[in-house]
Amino acid sequence: AQSVTQLGSHVSVSEGALVLLRCNYSSSVPPYLFWYVQYPNQGLQLLLKYTSAATLVKGINGFEAEFKKSETSFHLTKPSAHMSDAAEYFCAVGRSNFGNEKLTFGTGTRLTIIP
Amino acid sequence: DAGVTQSPTHLIKTRGQHVTLRCSPISGHKSVSWYQQVLGQGPQFIFQYYEKEERGRGNFPDRFSARQFPNYSSELNVNALLLGDSALYLCASSYGETQYFGPGTRLLVL
Repeated sequence: AQSVTQLGSHVSVSEGALVLLRCNYSSSVPPYLFWYVQYPNQGLQLLLKYTSAATLVKGINGFEAEFKKSETSFHLTKPSAHMSDAAEYFCAVGRSNFGNEKLTFGTGTRLTIIP
Repeated sequence: DAGVTQSPTHLIKTRGQHVTLRCSPISGHKSVSWYQQVLGQGPQFIFQYYEKEERGRGNFPDRFSARQFPNYSSELNVNALLLGDSALYLCASSYGETQYFGPGTRLLVL
């Protein structure tokens, strides 16, 4: 079974400050890991993904995440927060099995940017 | 290219009624998955279909059913609606390990 834990349901940072959203996973097989962002009243947009290649993954909008197997973590970071980053962020774990790509999501972290 | 599309965008039903939600995947994607997102929570997996066959089912009652058509579009059906079925229903299509989500259908059950 696979699971994801997102530490901190709400995170507030000042505009221009570092963004750090935490995600820890559990998986009995090598995982695929994803970060999605959800703006109010919208669907999910893929930010970035880890699929067993480079452990440091760069995504859209200046976000990046580092896969650390020893810590079972996949934390999301952005060096300088922008007002437009305010949204809900979801970490998800899946597996490499073509035609069977069920994702298990965390409970989400709401990011607030303080002007 | 067009992304995943879903219809309708919003829906209001009363308890006991039936609802059908529709999804069109990205062109070339043969896999469609359905998720339920209750307010304040992460999406929960309901079904996955690949090449018109059910490949996975989440922990949802038999009131929930789905199917996939030859053009890879999909329908999610929910019978005997309960208040707790109120949620955002998300459809995702995939070709490989990455799922791309549509804007969702927001269902309110009164």
